[in-house]
Amino acid sequence: IQMTQSPSFLSASVGDRVTITCRASQDISSHLGWYQQKPGKAPKLLIYAASTLQSGVPSRFSGSGSGTEFTLTISSLQPEDFTTYYCQQLYGYPLTFGGGTKVEIK
Amino acid sequence: EVQLVESGGGLVQPGGSLRLSCAASGFTFSTHVMSWFRQAPGKGLEWVSVISGFGTPTFYADSVNGRFTISRDNSRNTLYLQMDTLRADDTAIYYCAKAARGDGSMRSGFDVWGQGTMVTVSS
Repeated sequence: IQMTQSPSFLSASVGDRVTITCRASQDISSHLGWYQQKPGKAPKLLIYAASTLQSGVPSRFSGSGSGTEFTLTISSLQPEDFTTYYCQQLYGYPLTFGGGTKVEIK
Repeated sequence: EVQLVESGGGLVQPGGSLRLSCAASGFTFSTHVMSWFRQAPGKGLEWVSVISGFGTPTFYADSVNGRFTISRDNSRNTLYLQMDTLRADDTAIYYCAKAARGDGSMRSGFDVWGQGTMVTVSS
């Protein structure tokens, strides 16, 4: 299953609302996760089952979608949110990631 | 505290072997699916392999199938990745990660990751 993530780069300001999209090459129901990765660090699980917020993750993060199209929304960007995000399909093996979206400061 | 600590990375020549370890603590290791992921320098995340709580089944990415072997020792709370016939394109940071749910499913994603161990394949 191929995961196509867009955009690859996103420039935004603190307080902006941003949306990242992930498309699956086939129906994966709601079996999708979103991760945040900061430079030099391991990925952090933000959302699973397409829309369920992982414990401890701020509520400004939200996910939606099912089937083949999914979105990650950050309602109000905070300084610590400027980093890279990945989607991952959890429908079946081989597990696959999107190519990543780097959120940069405008 | 739930923790994963990888070890065993290093510099190896093409065609060589390495064994990575991932020491787990703070959770019931035997009930969780465990996985290895990797990230080549400056690149995105790539899934490598996964193993169920019981040790089977196991699954591999096409890029490593037949060369890498995942295993676990539940008595030692340790996950392993035996890497043979290494190639330059295996150069990456290797992460172990724990499935979020302790029911044998990976469908809730991977909620705890190690700090990573660097593997460099070069002559």
